[in-house]
Amino acid sequence: DIQMTQSPSSLSASVGDRVTITCRASQSINIYLNWFQQKAGKAPNLLIYTASSLQSGGPSRFSGSGSGTDFTLTISSLQPEDSATYYCQQSYSTPPTFGQGTRLEIK
Amino acid sequence: EVHLLESGGGLLQPGGSLRLSCVASGFTFSSNAMSWVRQAPGKGLEWVSAINGFGGTTYYADSVKGRFTISRDNSMNTLYLQINSLRAEDTAVYYCARSGNGWYRFDYWGQGTQVTVSS
Repeated sequence: DIQMTQSPSSLSASVGDRVTITCRASQSINIYLNWFQQKAGKAPNLLIYTASSLQSGGPSRFSGSGSGTDFTLTISSLQPEDSATYYCQQSYSTPPTFGQGTRLEIK
Repeated sequence: EVHLLESGGGLLQPGGSLRLSCVASGFTFSSNAMSWVRQAPGKGLEWVSAINGFGGTTYYADSVKGRFTISRDNSMNTLYLQINSLRAEDTAVYYCARSGNGWYRFDYWGQGTQVTVSS
């Protein structure tokens, strides 16, 4: 199975900050990397697919980059509603696997 | 508008069985692979099982292989997960998720159904 490792596990940032979350795969997954946002008590929501494509309806302040084994999710200007846990997930092979999550708190 | 609605969860004893359902609407159900993904209390996301659009191909996580069975009824726009030999570690919120492309791009999720296994 492909292991996905996110960093950091948690972070705290202020409104307007630029925030970056990283995700590393244990082997190359090309660009088959998705990012999800999950707010407390809710289902996950797809933000970014194939590493850098913004899902329809997603705020443009979210962007993704990377290929191979190293990926990043960037929030260009943090908003209060961005408080959530973020997960990366590889869709390259079965079983699909998720990172352990990054909890983002707004200061 | 795409909508997924799970049901069938509850409080069960170890060794028991149950069947989860997920009713889909707003898209041509047979055109998309579907998956079940679960989340134990306070933990991350774990993929459980997937099925292709016509139901002829299925995949399972090693942790549930032999105990869980995924199926679908395209005439009823419904996805199922039969869970047997329940264990405490199966306690989780179970989500159904649609794949928008290929097998594992989960673009729509249901609200989840809680399964609790306890004696």
